[in-house]
Amino acid sequence: EAQVTQNPRYLITVTGKKLTVTCSQNMNHEYMSWYRQDPGLGLRQIYYSMNVEVTDKGDVPEGYKVSRKEKRNFPLILESPSPNQTSLYFCASSFQGQAGGQPQHFGDGTRLSIL
Amino acid sequence: QKEVEQNSGPLSVPEGAIASLNCTYSDRGSQSFFWYRQYSGKSPELIMFIYSNGDKEDGRFTAQLNKASQYVSLLIRDSQPSDSATYLCALSNYQLIWGAGTKLIIKP
Repeated sequence: EAQVTQNPRYLITVTGKKLTVTCSQNMNHEYMSWYRQDPGLGLRQIYYSMNVEVTDKGDVPEGYKVSRKEKRNFPLILESPSPNQTSLYFCASSFQGQAGGQPQHFGDGTRLSIL
Repeated sequence: QKEVEQNSGPLSVPEGAIASLNCTYSDRGSQSFFWYRQYSGKSPELIMFIYSNGDKEDGRFTAQLNKASQYVSLLIRDSQPSDSATYLCALSNYQLIWGAGTKLIIKP
């Protein structure tokens, strides 16, 4: 089954404790992206990757890191989480990247709470 | 000015009626347009995409694109309570830009 898998689905942690949210896709997509979604603000892009070893900042990259060492995986790293990073996070993937205007496939989301 | 504007709603529509959702945008170079449906706490799922001016129909859904007037619409015919969700408009011109979404409520 074609899917984007995020883990964990839910996480409650404390300020400053490093965490990683994993994202994996099995569709051989070149493009992967991380979003956060907050009430009233819609989806905001954090980072994206056009292919292996190619990553770029989105609209709200501060406080986050990513890596793309393999085509299928695109982890999101919070080195020192803060309460303002409490949010619902989505990973998404597609063929050819945004320039090609391809529909994105989303993971089920990770609800992150930073205390 | 936001690049993609959607009325946040909620838009309340009686069951069986036509729901009309609108999205305006500022980038005339936008090439691809998408409508996603998102249930509360769930991930967005693609409903329709449209690249050319005019209408595109898929079952009960019709996407309408007017590049001259810079708007894209989604019509839902014979609205069902299961259509109650937030509808996100997104467009692409080398960067994918998302609207904040319109909450649609279908009343039985």
